[in-house]
Amino acid sequence: DSGVTQTPKHLITATGQRVTLRCSPRSGDLSVYWYQQSLDQGLQFLIQYYNGEERAKGNILERFSAQQFPDLHSELNLSSLELGDSALYFCASSDGTMNTEAFFGQGTRLTVV
Amino acid sequence: GDSVTQMEGPVTLSEEAFLTINCTYTATGYPSLFWYVQYPGEGLQLLLKATKADDKGSNKGFEATYRKETTSFHLEKGSVQVSDSAVYFCALLLPPGSSYKLIFGSGTRLLVRP
Repeated sequence: DSGVTQTPKHLITATGQRVTLRCSPRSGDLSVYWYQQSLDQGLQFLIQYYNGEERAKGNILERFSAQQFPDLHSELNLSSLELGDSALYFCASSDGTMNTEAFFGQGTRLTVV
Repeated sequence: GDSVTQMEGPVTLSEEAFLTINCTYTATGYPSLFWYVQYPGEGLQLLLKATKADDKGSNKGFEATYRKETTSFHLEKGSVQVSDSAVYFCALLLPPGSSYKLIFGSGTRLLVRP
């Protein structure tokens, strides 16, 4: 158990809908990362937060947004969903310093039908 | 831009064979380097890391050395087991001046046959 909790584990929704994925980081970690893993593709970095502030942005679509709350949990909002958004979405957390690794949650599998 | 390149898989080996998975990177500054492993149906787990040039990370018989001169961090294991079958990801963590991004390679699937 990595200590990072993601909910829900599975999500099935229709095209055009909006969903929210939730991530609770490990106790004490200030930084949260979001990644998208599509079939046959690697991990695409979406966005990173540190102590409530956006720290780095990757290839995140305008239809997607995220935030980190004062209690350090984070949410990834996906709207106007398309079939191509079907993927595994991973959250990871770290203490945000240079030499430390990130710990990954089990992921949320999103299926858009 | 900053990136990680891994050899394409799948890599298929017999049990007890020697494993090498190549990883090279492009980055500004001096990143930290990591190998993660993903078993079927699970999230990623850290396998090993190296935080400065010439450091060697090791864990569970796997090793990788941070080579700044060749910008590489190849993963090796002397004798693989069936239980090593998984997807392996090389990653770099950019230093503060480059926003602390954690960037992954595309992953290399390893299949070990009995």
